[in-house]
Amino acid sequence: GENVEQHPSTLSVQEGDSAVIKCTYSDSASNYFPWYKQELGKRPQLIIDIRSNVGEKKDQRIAVTLNKTAKHFSLHITETQPEDSAVYFCAASFTGTASKLTFGTGTRLQVTL
Amino acid sequence: GAVVSQHPSRVICKSGTSVKIECRSLDFQATTMFWYRQFPKQSLMLMATSNEGSKATYEQGVEKDKFLINHASLTLSTLTVTSAHPEDSSFYICSAPENTEAFFGQGTRLTVV
Repeated sequence: GENVEQHPSTLSVQEGDSAVIKCTYSDSASNYFPWYKQELGKRPQLIIDIRSNVGEKKDQRIAVTLNKTAKHFSLHITETQPEDSAVYFCAASFTGTASKLTFGTGTRLQVTL
Repeated sequence: GAVVSQHPSRVICKSGTSVKIECRSLDFQATTMFWYRQFPKQSLMLMATSNEGSKATYEQGVEKDKFLINHASLTLSTLTVTSAHPEDSSFYICSAPENTEAFFGQGTRLTVV
């Protein structure tokens, strides 16, 4: 089955700096890669996603890049704000949709003033 | 976006008893729902796929007789943890796909004492 590794497990940045979280996946059939933000005790919220036919996608301060050859994808957050502090999960699916997601281990992002 | 409602949000039960968790899609129909389990500071692990009108499919290592899933309608899936033990204490969360996106319930924190 699919295995998704995520690094780093914790990340502390100063407000205004950029944050980068990286994930690798093992199943070359995976074709859908969402990123979720989860605040303590709450449900995961989709922040951005990318499909295997695209190399990069951007939405305001958030961007995701995908390297299919190397089987890794990354989340980039620019101009970080304290409200960006949360746990971020990457995920992968071979279904082309958000069905049967395999999640990464999570990154706890702390944005300090 | 679509809304998925999960109840209860917290439950404490005695060892040996059963607990039922409900997951409802409020404004869309979901022929498939997914149940995940999340231990503290860990990732979401897919437990099973709930299929409306048919049997659920379980991931490897998940006991189907312990985690009973019923998906009797297009808007409701239930997970029953039978004969609960302290090691079943966890955060259980459901998701339902709408178009290509997954929408998560707010999760249920189960504590077995």
